Amino acid sequence: DIQMTQTPSSMPASLGERVTISCRASQGISNYLNWYQQKPDGTIKPLIYYTSNLQSGVPSRFSGSGSGTDYSLTISSLEPEDFAMYYCQQYDSSPLTFGSGTKLEIK
Amino acid sequence: EVQLVETGGGLVQPGKSLKLTCATSGFTFSNAWMHWVRQSPEKQLEWVAQIKAKSNNYATYYAESVKGRFTISRDDSKSSVYLQMNSLKEEDTAIYYCTLQLSHRFAYWGQGTLVTVSS
Repeated sequence: DIQMTQTPSSMPASLGERVTISCRASQGISNYLNWYQQKPDGTIKPLIYYTSNLQSGVPSRFSGSGSGTDYSLTISSLEPEDFAMYYCQQYDSSPLTFGSGTKLEIK
Repeated sequence: EVQLVETGGGLVQPGKSLKLTCATSGFTFSNAWMHWVRQSPEKQLEWVAQIKAKSNNYATYYAESVKGRFTISRDDSKSSVYLQMNSLKEEDTAIYYCTLQLSHRFAYWGQGTLVTVSS
């Protein structure tokens, strides 16, 4: 199975701050990488697919990049509704696997 | 509007069985590839099972951790997908989410149903 190592596990940040979350795969995944957001009420929604493509309706302050084994999610200027959990997920090979999550907290 | 509603969770003893249901609406269910994903109390997400459409012979796939114990199925006439869970273990304790796959991503998620396995 491909292991997804996500860092940091938690991140205190301030409104308006630029933040980056990293995700490293145990082997190359050819950009087959998605990002999801989970709100405190448990609601999960997709943010970015195939490394850098924004899901419809997701604000442009979210962006994704990466290649090979290393990927990242960047939020350019934090809004109040961005404080949530974030997960990466690879779909290069079965089984589909997720990172362990990053909790974005208000500083 | 796409909706996925999971039901059937609860408290169950180790070794017992439970069946989850995901009722869907707002899309053409018969063509959809559906999954179950669970989230442990430690917040780790784990893919559990997938079922493809009739055109793919309803092919099913499972995580090694549940293979032989869990069965995913669907009823296209009811736009519903199911997860039959047998021989439950304490480590199966999690919130179980039903998800709709679109273009290699989990495009829509239900609100989840909590399964607690404990004596």
